[in-house]
Order: sequence, then structure tokens, then C-alpha cells
Amino acid sequence: GDSVTQTEGQVALSEEDFLTIHCNYSASGYPTLFWYVQYPGEGPQLLFRASRDKEKGSSRGFEATYDKGTTSFHLRKASVQESDSAVYYCALSDPGGSNAKLTFGKGTKLSVKS
Amino acid sequence: NSKVIQTPRYLVKGQGQKAKMRCIPEKGHPVVFWYQQNKNNEFKFLINFQNQEVLQQIDMTEKRFSAECPSNSPCSLEIQSSEAGDSALYLCASSLSWGREQYFGPGTRLTVL
Repeated sequence: GDSVTQTEGQVALSEEDFLTIHCNYSASGYPTLFWYVQYPGEGPQLLFRASRDKEKGSSRGFEATYDKGTTSFHLRKASVQESDSAVYYCALSDPGGSNAKLTFGKGTKLSVKS
Repeated sequence: NSKVIQTPRYLVKGQGQKAKMRCIPEKGHPVVFWYQQNKNNEFKFLINFQNQEVLQQIDMTEKRFSAECPSNSPCSLEIQSSEAGDSALYLCASSLSWGREQYFGPGTRLTVL
């Protein structure tokens, strides 16, 4: 079945550091890829999506590029802030399949200190 | 920000008791999903609807879980006989159409004692 792998379980940075969270996926079809962010006590919030090869998604200074060749969708931000501290999830959906459910990675907890 | 409403935010039940939670999807969104997020932050798909019709559900859902999305009423997810392993955050998400991005509510945190 489909799967999403996030390499980093936890990331600790200082304000203004560069952020990279690695995401690789495995899917039989041509999935749509997402990044979600979850703050304590809340549901996941959509950051952005990308649905075709080389498409870049971006929001709030975060960005990721769909790479079909390397089956990756790495999240990057040039300068993190303390308010970015949260859990980040890479996810995929295969809308062409029989179920458009989201398949999530295990999440990466980002802690940013001032 | 998402406008998916979930109630109650917290639910405490004893083993064997029924647990019912509700979801109002974002206005105009005919597709609704329920997910379970466990204490390890892992997500499990439970069931989805399109225009009040169940499209898919996992086996666990078929046995002890029931769900509906009636027209002009909140969607609901009910666990007939709660077990300790059902303790989790139950998330409702809605979408404008099949395969589009899903918007989540804040969840109902169920604790089964």
C-alpha cells in the first residue's frame, strides 16, 4: 500500500535557522502530496499541496517541490521563528484510486528556541 | 482557517459504554472523512462519506463503529462498546470534492477508563 516516510522524528533549531524536513513517499498511482502542521490541542492544518511533478507548493515561508524522480517532497524554510514550533506531517492522497484518504508520515516535531 | 466543527472536545467513557461524537463539515463540502490519531501521533482512516453515502470504511469500523452524515444534520461517529484501545483523538475532515485537500476540525479526545 501507499506509505510516507519522514526521516526526522524531532528537530531542534534556533530562530532564523534554516529548516529541512525530509519526506519520501511510495505510491502505486500518481498521488497528490501535502504538508500539514498540527499545534497542541488542534487538528492538522493544511500548509499546501502539490499534485504534479516539479510543482512547488508554498505558504507562510515554507515550501516543497514535488519530485517524482526521487519520490520526495521535502519541506524547507529559510528562517524559522519560535511560533513555527509544532508537529509537521507529510501526507499523500491517491485521488485516482478507490479511496482518497490521506496517508500520513509519522510526523516531525519542530522546536524553535529564541 | 478551517471551519469544521467537532463536539464535544473531550469525552470520557467507561469500558463497554457508548461514545458518540459529532462533526459539522465546512459549508459546501460534500466529502467527509473520519480519522483516529493515537498517542503516538499515528493516523488511521476510519470511514468516508460523499453526500451522506458511505463510500469506504475499514473492518474495525464495520464491527463496533457506526457513522452517518444525514442531510441537514451533523455527521456523527459512535462507538457501540468502548474499549481502552479506543482512547485517541478522533478527527473529522471535510473536502470540496473527491481527492481535494482535506480540512480538519479540532478533534474529539476520547478517554476510555
